[in-house]
Amino acid sequence: AQSVSQHNHHVILSEAASLELGCNYSYGGTVNLFWYVQYPGQHLQLLLKYFSGDPLVKGIKGFEAEFIKSKFSFNLRKPSVQWSDTAEYFCAVMRSSNTGKLIFGQGTTLQVKP
Amino acid sequence: DVKVTQSSRYLVKRTGEKVFLECVQDMDHENMFWYRQDPGLGLRLIYFSYDVKMKEKGDIPEGYSVSREKKERFSLILESASTNQTSMYLCASTGRGLGSWTGNQPQHFGDGTRLSIL
Repeated sequence: AQSVSQHNHHVILSEAASLELGCNYSYGGTVNLFWYVQYPGQHLQLLLKYFSGDPLVKGIKGFEAEFIKSKFSFNLRKPSVQWSDTAEYFCAVMRSSNTGKLIFGQGTTLQVKP
Repeated sequence: DVKVTQSSRYLVKRTGEKVFLECVQDMDHENMFWYRQDPGLGLRLIYFSYDVKMKEKGDIPEGYSVSREKKERFSLILESASTNQTSMYLCASTGRGLGSWTGNQPQHFGDGTRLSIL
């Protein structure tokens, strides 16, 4: 069965530290990839997405992610985190289909200490 | 801007009750989804609908049903609520995109309903 795995469940960083959150998926066909973020008390919102083309995609708030097809990975990165990045982050995979179904990872809680 | 509205932010119900969670989107989206979010499990798809009166089971449909009588509204129904259905419920919608292909359309989420079953 198709699955998405986020390796880090809870990450604690100090401000200005670099961030990398891992995401691996199991589906071998064509996929579209997403990172969503959920700030405390807010709804999930799209951080960035990959559909095709340049495997390095840039999103909002200085985040970026790299799609490595051979590793089935789509890791999220940010060179210097801020306290306001404290949130839960979800990786998601959509099979190229006409239903738009997403498979989500377990989520990673990021806590940034000021 | 895209807006997905869930009728309640917090809800407390009793075991055995029939519970209705409502979701409305204002983007004329064809596809709508219901997820539950639990710590350490991420989001799991309960049901989705790709058109009015059309529905399809997700990964965890047991104990739930849905209704989509109008394009903008997608209801989740807990037929007989149980304590293991205490959770955060999220509704989402997405458009179909060009050529009826949804693959490049991100989902838009509501604020969620935190449901407690006592």
